[in-house]
Amino acid sequence: NAGVMQNPRHLVRRRGQEARLRCSPVKGHSHVYWYRQLPEEGLKFMVYLQKENIIDESGMPKERFSAEFPKEGPSILRIQQVVRGDSAAYFCASSPEQGLNTEAFFGQGTRLTVV
Amino acid sequence: AQSVTQLGSHVSVSEGALVLLRCNYSSSVPPYLFWYVQYPNQGLQLLLKYTTGATLVKGINGFEAEFKKSETSFHLTKPSAHMSDAAEYFCAVSASHGNKLVFGAGTILRVKS
Repeated sequence: NAGVMQNPRHLVRRRGQEARLRCSPVKGHSHVYWYRQLPEEGLKFMVYLQKENIIDESGMPKERFSAEFPKEGPSILRIQQVVRGDSAAYFCASSPEQGLNTEAFFGQGTRLTVV
Repeated sequence: AQSVTQLGSHVSVSEGALVLLRCNYSSSVPPYLFWYVQYPNQGLQLLLKYTTGATLVKGINGFEAEFKKSETSFHLTKPSAHMSDAAEYFCAVSASHGNKLVFGAGTILRVKS
């Protein structure tokens, strides 16, 4: 029974390149959340998606960042034209439904380093 | 708006000693409160959560936390620390729906032998 799978675990990009982070939720989960963890800080909410829909993107930077959760396949967090400040750990979480009686399961994260 | 303050970015205890990790929250709506643990290079694992009902919540690995509305606190305790408890602990608060969480900055727990 696989948990949330994120890949790659580590990603190095040069400034100006694109970064694509993938998240496969727990089988049967249709809700996905992305968080960013900067060094020595807690996780910050970025975006909440259901299948094919963005529900809440209040934590997403206005430029260069986008997310999707297609009907088939993993959720993708895309960062265009990366800058050094994008270096962080990006975590994905999934849950089977909305609501606090359900637990969100976290992946192991993707650690992005921009050089 | 909601926020979480974790007092003490690093806490060190001896093996067998009481563990106390402090968390204070701010919320304009009834809060839902969580504690997560993160081991190095791992994701977050839920320790326990408070939604409604009993204010003393028991979680995994012998941890528990008490919701105190008057003090806006949700401190995490464990009577006797074990070496395997060494990790980073995050307190989080959520609005009344969904799993959109606001996290504190984390507390790194060190356990000395």
